[in-house]
Amino acid sequence: AQSVAQPEDQVKVAEGNPLTVKCTYSVSGNPYLFWYVQYPNRGLQFLLKYITGDNLVKGSYGFEAEFNKSQTSFHLKKPSALVSDSALYFCAVRDMPTGRRALTFGSGTRLQVQP
Amino acid sequence: DGGITQSPKYLFRKEGQNVTLSCEQNLNHDAMYWYRQDPGQGLRLIYYSQIVNDFQKGDIAEGYSVSREKKESFPLTVTSAQKNPTAFYLCASSIRAENTEAFFGQGTRLTVV
Repeated sequence: AQSVAQPEDQVKVAEGNPLTVKCTYSVSGNPYLFWYVQYPNRGLQFLLKYITGDNLVKGSYGFEAEFNKSQTSFHLKKPSALVSDSALYFCAVRDMPTGRRALTFGSGTRLQVQP
Repeated sequence: DGGITQSPKYLFRKEGQNVTLSCEQNLNHDAMYWYRQDPGQGLRLIYYSQIVNDFQKGDIAEGYSVSREKKESFPLTVTSAQKNPTAFYLCASSIRAENTEAFFGQGTRLTVV
C-alpha cells in the first residue's frame, strides 16, 4: 500500500528565510510524487511533481523539491519565503506500476511566514 | 474557460437526509476522484473513476455512493448511512496516465444541522 507522512503539522519561518516542508513516503514500486498548496476554503493547486530523472524538481512560485530515494523523502523547499506563501501544503504519492491509480495524500503542513 | 466546477459551495443537510454534490469538468479528463478533507487528517479518498461507467471504492466509501454516466460528470451522494458527514469535499480529475497531476475543484462544504 502507498502512504505519505508529513511529520510537521506546522512550520514557521521569517520572511526572506529559506523554508523546508518535509515529506516521506512508502511504496512497493516506483513512486510518483506531488506537492500541492491549499489556501483557505479553496481547492488544491498543483506545485510540482517528480516522475523520473533529476532529483531536484522545480515548480511554480519559486518552489522546488528534492527526491531522495535512499531516505524515501521528497521535501519541499524555497530559498526565500514570502508572507504570501502562508498556506496548507500537501504531499501526495502514486505508487507505480502496481499501486492504486488515485493519489494518496499526507495530513498536510501549515506554513506560516512571519513578516 | 476550462476547469472543474463543484456545486454548491456550501450545503446544509438535516440528519437522515441524502444529499448529492455535483462535480463537472470540461477538461476532457477520463479519471475523476472524490476526496474528503477533515482538519488534521488531510485528504482521504472516497471513490474514484478511471472511465465512464466504472468506479472503485477508496478508503472511506461507506455511506457514500457515486455514478459515472457521463465523462464530464461524477456526482457524489452522501447517504443517511454516513454517520459523520460534516466535512469539506473535493472533486478532482486527471488524464489516465499515471505520471500526471490531478486538478481540483473549489470544494463543497457540507454541514449537517
